[in-house]
Amino acid sequence: QKEVEQDPGPLSVPEGAIVSLNCTYSNSAFQYFMWYRQYSRKGPELLMYTYSSGNKEDGRFTAQVDKSSKYISLFIRDSQPSDSATYLCAMSAAGANSKLTFGKGITLSVRP
Amino acid sequence: NAGVMQNPRHLVRRRGQEARLRCSPMKGHSHVYWYRQLPEEGLKFMVYLQKENIIDESGMPKERFSAEFPKEGPSILRIQQVVRGDSAAYFCASSPSGDTNYGYTFGSGTRLTVV
Repeated sequence: QKEVEQDPGPLSVPEGAIVSLNCTYSNSAFQYFMWYRQYSRKGPELLMYTYSSGNKEDGRFTAQVDKSSKYISLFIRDSQPSDSATYLCAMSAAGANSKLTFGKGITLSVRP
Repeated sequence: NAGVMQNPRHLVRRRGQEARLRCSPMKGHSHVYWYRQLPEEGLKFMVYLQKENIIDESGMPKERFSAEFPKEGPSILRIQQVVRGDSAAYFCASSPSGDTNYGYTFGSGTRLTVV
């Protein structure tokens, strides 16, 4: 079993839709959870991070962590064509020298 | 305030040649991380370095791969005797400390193609 599993894609939605992206993980030591966005031929860009369980909101983006279920989600409200990118979840354990373990990524396409 | 700078952006090498990938961290950052992204795969950790020290190389292949971060100059990821399977995007990230559990800044990557 992989440490981090991410829903396979690709995902195509119409503009304005609510998007839900999800990851599950198996390592109980993970405490820090991040979402990165990667445009084609670019480096990953940190979108959001959360510590332990709970929700965090930033504009149209909401990150949710459920440590009891080992499940994290990223919600995008009012999706825009500019949101079209690959989204990667990442996580790390305390004292792990900030080493990140990534999901495979899911490619999102928002149709105008 | 430049971000993490990687060069070259694209690198083509024949099988058996050496590849040298360079990473200049953000100003004030002394911690560097290298990740590899294979086609259709997520990023995989390779190595974590501080100036003049390798802190964690648990993700580095045992042979042909090495990394350094000298006192002066960029961090270098070196791949000797490249093979087709080394073709990937290599990303570098930097942080001001080694306790950056809230993510760090990545460069735009070097895309290595082995022919």
